[in-house]
Amino acid sequence: QQPVQSPQAVILREGEDAVINCSSSKALYSVHWYRQKHGEAPVFLMILLKGGEQKGHDKISASFNEKKQQSSLYLTASQLSYSGTYFCGTVNRDDKIIFGKGTRLHILP
Amino acid sequence: DVKVTQSSRYLVKRTGEKVFLECVQDMDHENMFWYRQDPGLGLRLIYFSYDVKMKEKGDIPEGYSVSREKKERFSLILESASTNQTSMYLCASSPRADTVGTDTQYFGPGTRLTVL
Repeated sequence: QQPVQSPQAVILREGEDAVINCSSSKALYSVHWYRQKHGEAPVFLMILLKGGEQKGHDKISASFNEKKQQSSLYLTASQLSYSGTYFCGTVNRDDKIIFGKGTRLHILP
Repeated sequence: DVKVTQSSRYLVKRTGEKVFLECVQDMDHENMFWYRQDPGLGLRLIYFSYDVKMKEKGDIPEGYSVSREKKERFSLILESASTNQTSMYLCASSPRADTVGTDTQYFGPGTRLTVL
C-alpha cells in the first residue's frame, strides 16, 4: 500500500517553516526520506528505524511515530536550496520500500 | 561516491519496438531496482533484484521484464513498447542491509522514454 503524503504541494517564502507528513495503513519497520530536485535523481536524506526516533541535520529533521504509523519531515527556516519534491518511503513486513506520491516544495526568495 | 549510470537520458521509440534500458552501478551493491515516475503518481516499483540472475516483481511489472546477468548491471526490457509506457524510468541500487528496511537507495539520473 502506497503511503499517503500531505500536503501535495506547498509554497513558502525563504525563512519559513514547513512540515510534510507521511502515513501508512500498515505497521512500519522504517521510514525513509528522499529529495528530488528538478531534473535530477532522488537523493537520500535520512532513515528512521524505531518508533519515536527523531533525526536531523542542518535544519531538516524528521520524526517517526510507530504507533500512529506515520512520519513527519520538518524544514526549519527554509532556504532556496530546499526546493524540490520530497518523497517518503515506507518499509513494512515484506521488506520492500514503497514510495509515496511526493510533496512538491517551492521556496520563494 | 556511489555512481549509478543509465544508458540514455532521453529515448524515443515507436509502438511495438523492443526497448532496452540499461543500468550500471559501481559500488558492488547486491540490490538493484527499476522504477517509473509519472506526475502525481510518485515512484512506482517495476522490478527488483537481490542478486545476480535473481528477480522479483514489483508493483507494476506488466509489460516489462528484466535481466541481471552481472552484479553491476540491471536491464529493463519493454518487449513491445506501448504509448502508456511513456515515462521517466529510474534505476537504483542499494547494499544488502543487516537489518530489515535499512538499505539506502542510490538513484541514477533517469531515462525519459517517449513511445510514439
